[in-house]
Amino acid sequence: GAGVSQSPSNKVTEKGKDVELRCDPISGHTALYWYRQSLGQGLEFLIYFQGNSAPDKSGLPSDRFSAERTGGSVSTLTIQRTQQEDSAVYLCASSFSSGTTHNEQFFGPGTRLTVL
Amino acid sequence: AQKITQTQPGMFVQEKEAVTLDCTYDTSDPSYGLFWYKQPSSGEMIFLIYQGSYDQQNATEGRYSLNFQKARKSANLVISASQLGDSAMYFCAMRVRGNNDMRFGAGTRLTVKP
Repeated sequence: GAGVSQSPSNKVTEKGKDVELRCDPISGHTALYWYRQSLGQGLEFLIYFQGNSAPDKSGLPSDRFSAERTGGSVSTLTIQRTQQEDSAVYLCASSFSSGTTHNEQFFGPGTRLTVL
Repeated sequence: AQKITQTQPGMFVQEKEAVTLDCTYDTSDPSYGLFWYKQPSSGEMIFLIYQGSYDQQNATEGRYSLNFQKARKSANLVISASQLGDSAMYFCAMRVRGNNDMRFGAGTRLTVKP
């Protein structure tokens, strides 16, 4: 497809369960970002992948959160033992190499996670 | 530390009028970029405009312009001739050279009245 895609669009889960969120970036984009947006809030950076380099995990809120990016393309964000405070929209973005400040990020439609 | 501040939680504007959405930022790095994104109710983030810290002129993109005042560390978005479709959340963001993440403000909800 032409844009960043994410699946599922909505996910409802019970507290304590694990969830996996998927992001398919724009073809050719080497940089991939995950953000979290809580209701009525701005975006919170979670993790960043650039090519084959080690990811920048500085934004992950706890060790329950992890992410991987296979083959430099698709990425999966995993949240283990979900808590109610994990409820949010999880946005994925991709861009060309992030070597400059002017790297427009293209966002996906997000996954709305609700933890009951 | 880098910080983005949007002090207007909500703004109203009459259709066809201009509106300014405020954004101030804080960074000690001289090389940075400032972005504005629009987020309609559908949830997708739409890139609007970019301003580099070394750019001499204010950025413009169609009806959007960025009023960049470097000394005051402000990067206000001006939307001219507002349209009903401009009703959305607007986020100001900053990326500092060498940093991987983009810092976002809390956003401003713009409502255009017919």
